[in-house]
Amino acid sequence: SQQGEEDPQALSIQEGENATMNCSYKTSINNLQWYRQNSGRGLVHLILIRSNEREKHSGRLRVTLDTSKKSSSLLITASRAADTASYFCATAISSNTGKLIFGQGTTLQVKP
Amino acid sequence: EAGVVQSPRYKIIEKKQPVAFWCNPISGHNTLYWYRQNLGQGPELLIRYENEEAVDDSQLPKDRFSAERLKGVDSTLKIQPAELGDSAVYLCASSPRLGFGSSYEQYFGPGTRLTVT
Repeated sequence: SQQGEEDPQALSIQEGENATMNCSYKTSINNLQWYRQNSGRGLVHLILIRSNEREKHSGRLRVTLDTSKKSSSLLITASRAADTASYFCATAISSNTGKLIFGQGTTLQVKP
Repeated sequence: EAGVVQSPRYKIIEKKQPVAFWCNPISGHNTLYWYRQNLGQGPELLIRYENEEAVDDSQLPKDRFSAERLKGVDSTLKIQPAELGDSAVYLCASSPRLGFGSSYEQYFGPGTRLTVT
């Protein structure tokens, strides 16, 4: 079963605009990770945020985590056509197992 | 550094036939994962190895699926016999040995797209 629910399921924006994706989960977590998947390819790790962190930045990516609401958001600023992909959140319940539970993903299309 | 290697990339078989997927993880990564990804869904864990030991196979349909990781490096996932519902992308991932209090990101291979007809 999948813990994460992502919203929206699909998002279409123009190049240069910001894209925001949301993820909600059900149980307490150790950390939450975001991955990107280009069509027909494997997943690529983007960023990890631990349960005691509230915000994290990496280049054009900004991730927030609200453990009281069991939700996270991924913001991509100044989007590019190359950002077109599916984005998945994944939660790690325990730090000892490395087991991740993935959401269903958000499909982002960035139009040039 | 070479990434996770999987083969074949695509496989089409008839139902009831056997099929096998192969994975070579990143050198030095102790943990290996097999996931199944259905169309439009996120990956779901099938089995996780720590070195050669399967430490979590609770999601593996053991009546038809089997996996092995001899010598704690390469791994093979087998389905016998395949059913129509097994059509999916099978992803292999690896990660370094987990440190105390840490949970490392996973590195994914390109996957094998299986079509069962």
